Amino acid sequence: DAGVIQSPRHEVTEMGQEVTLRCKPISGHDYLFWYRQTMMRGLELLIYFNNNVPIDDSGMPEDRFSAKMPNASFSTLKIQPSEPRDSAVYFCASSKGQTSTDTQYFGPGTRLTVL
Amino acid sequence: QKEVEQDPGPLSVPEGAIVSLNCTYSNSAFQYFMWYRQYSRKGPELLMYTYSSGNKEDGRFTAQVDKSSKYISLFIRDSQPSDSATYLCAMSASGGGANSKLTFGKGITLSVRP
Repeated sequence: DAGVIQSPRHEVTEMGQEVTLRCKPISGHDYLFWYRQTMMRGLELLIYFNNNVPIDDSGMPEDRFSAKMPNASFSTLKIQPSEPRDSAVYFCASSKGQTSTDTQYFGPGTRLTVL
Repeated sequence: QKEVEQDPGPLSVPEGAIVSLNCTYSNSAFQYFMWYRQYSRKGPELLMYTYSSGNKEDGRFTAQVDKSSKYISLFIRDSQPSDSATYLCAMSASGGGANSKLTFGKGITLSVRP
């Protein structure tokens, strides 16, 4: 299994630009999670989906952030317009989610720098 | 007070040392406790998973949960340079998968010197 796949691995953009991060979960996993990791705040859950439906987006920082999951094998996290404080590593994770002991598998992350 | 507090580190130990990593939490609803290991420039990977109070051992690693004190620990015996990584504790009221929201500590970076 290839694991969770994220692209791009690195993104450098200028303030005000639109940024789209992509994720392919592990096949057969029904849950998909988007996290953000910074030195100051650590790893924070932004949003998660179950069977392509957003379940909890209370961690999304503001309206500039949006996430979609059009099918079971693809999700995007979009920031528009981007700001320097959005600079962070963004992780996607997936899980079978069928039992309480199912675990989340993380992708390698996208390192975003907003200048 | 943050829901999960973790010693900030960094921590540097000689090879072969016993390492103790700790987290405290404030949410009594947490029932599931995890330790993730994150190597530099990689995503976190699950290391240990425990439910409720008690100990769990896996090779050189032991996870300990004390719900009465809201305190969890990870012990690493005979530490190796390959254990050098950032260790994050994570907790959930409903497990690691279904309907789960994991709350993470900020992580502590461990360096094991040869």
